[in-house]
Amino acid sequence: GAGVSQSPSNKVTEKGKDVELRCDPISGHTALYWYRQRLGQGLEFLIYFQGNSAPDKSGLPSDRFSAERTGESVSTLTIQRTQQEDSAVYLCASSLDFGQGHYNSPLHFGNGTRLTVT
Amino acid sequence: EDQVTQSPEALRLQEGESSSLNCSYTVSGLRGLFWYRQDPGKGPEFLFTLYSAGEEKEKERLKATLTKKESFLHITAPKPEDSATYLCAVRTARQLTFGSGTQLTVLP
Repeated sequence: GAGVSQSPSNKVTEKGKDVELRCDPISGHTALYWYRQRLGQGLEFLIYFQGNSAPDKSGLPSDRFSAERTGESVSTLTIQRTQQEDSAVYLCASSLDFGQGHYNSPLHFGNGTRLTVT
Repeated sequence: EDQVTQSPEALRLQEGESSSLNCSYTVSGLRGLFWYRQDPGKGPEFLFTLYSAGEEKEKERLKATLTKKESFLHITAPKPEDSATYLCAVRTARQLTFGSGTQLTVLP
């Protein structure tokens, strides 16, 4: 498809287990973002990948959270030893790289992974 | 620190009752302002990009405008299907900052 794809769409896990969330960005989009959205809340920035530059990890809430990206394609967000407060929708977005002057390039979002930690 | 504030937090309109949503910002070096629509259970859907003060963009019943300090999303004669959360985001050379959104409900 032409849009950002995230999987799984829903994930229920037990407290203490590790989870991996996947994002397939739009082809050609070199910038990729992860956000967290708690119920009824705004978007909380987690991490940003831009081309070959070092990722901006400034939004990761703890060392239990990590993310990787393979080249300019798939990204995975890993949450280790999940806690109930990790329950949220995790949104991925991609765009053209504004570091190369594409300032007007909007983010295109997937529909997210709804994570429930029991 | 870059700040983006949206108001009101929630807005209830009758069908056909026009209104405006506000996005005010304090940033250094605006590179672009984006409006998104988010339906329940979905990711935000891109609506508009505004780049410079005085710019306007229109799509169906929506019109977005931009000044040096704020942006407005005008909704003309809204319909129930316009009910959603509307988000704005501001990009500078350093980062992208989202507002917390306005939840719009249009009653039939």
